[in-house]
Amino acid sequence: DTAVSQTPKYLVTQMGNDKSIKCEQNLGHDTMYWYKQDSKKFLKIMFSYNNKELIINETVPNRFSPKSPDKAHLNLHINSLELGDSAVYFCASRSYNEQFFGPGTRLTVL
Amino acid sequence: RKEVEQDPGPFNVPEGATVAFNCTYSNSASQSFFWYRQDCRKEPKLLMSVYSSGNEDGRFTAQLNRASQYISLLIRDSKLSDSATYLCVVSIDNAGNMLTFGGGTRLMVKP
Repeated sequence: DTAVSQTPKYLVTQMGNDKSIKCEQNLGHDTMYWYKQDSKKFLKIMFSYNNKELIINETVPNRFSPKSPDKAHLNLHINSLELGDSAVYFCASRSYNEQFFGPGTRLTVL
Repeated sequence: RKEVEQDPGPFNVPEGATVAFNCTYSNSASQSFFWYRQDCRKEPKLLMSVYSSGNEDGRFTAQLNRASQYISLLIRDSKLSDSATYLCVVSIDNAGNMLTFGGGTRLMVKP
């Protein structure tokens, strides 16, 4: 029954490492997103894909690279992790004007 | 100035109370408006869209004032289960594609 799923749920890693977060939605939606929620709880859009095409890229460092192998998946790869990348990353998909969020991936960079 | 501003709270209210949250947004070109709810350490979920004429969903009433760029949420007869963070959200398009979130207002309903 899971609508939007993300793996892993928790990710603890050292500075300088490269890591990936996976997202899948089984809702049949065309548009998917990545958001970052920092320690102050502000949720900010990072990327949006529509049918595997990038449509929104919000001033995110190019260490972050999204990849959409098909419209049900939107993965996020992060190179050379920095302390400031520690946050909760949410994937979402959209139907009409409602966005459905995944459970989040809590990334801690040590 | 933040694009969407909310009082972070917390608002501590007893069960059965009526509580109101406000939010202001800076981009006058905003086209669609929402309240999302986020429980502690969970993902945000849509509570309700906000329409120009105001709208109600059970105990929840949302109002929009485009001239003042102001959105409100009223919760009547608060339940313990209403305890959460309420996120005011605006979008520059009608489809709710490009969402800008406020920092949230935390509500704690006490027995």
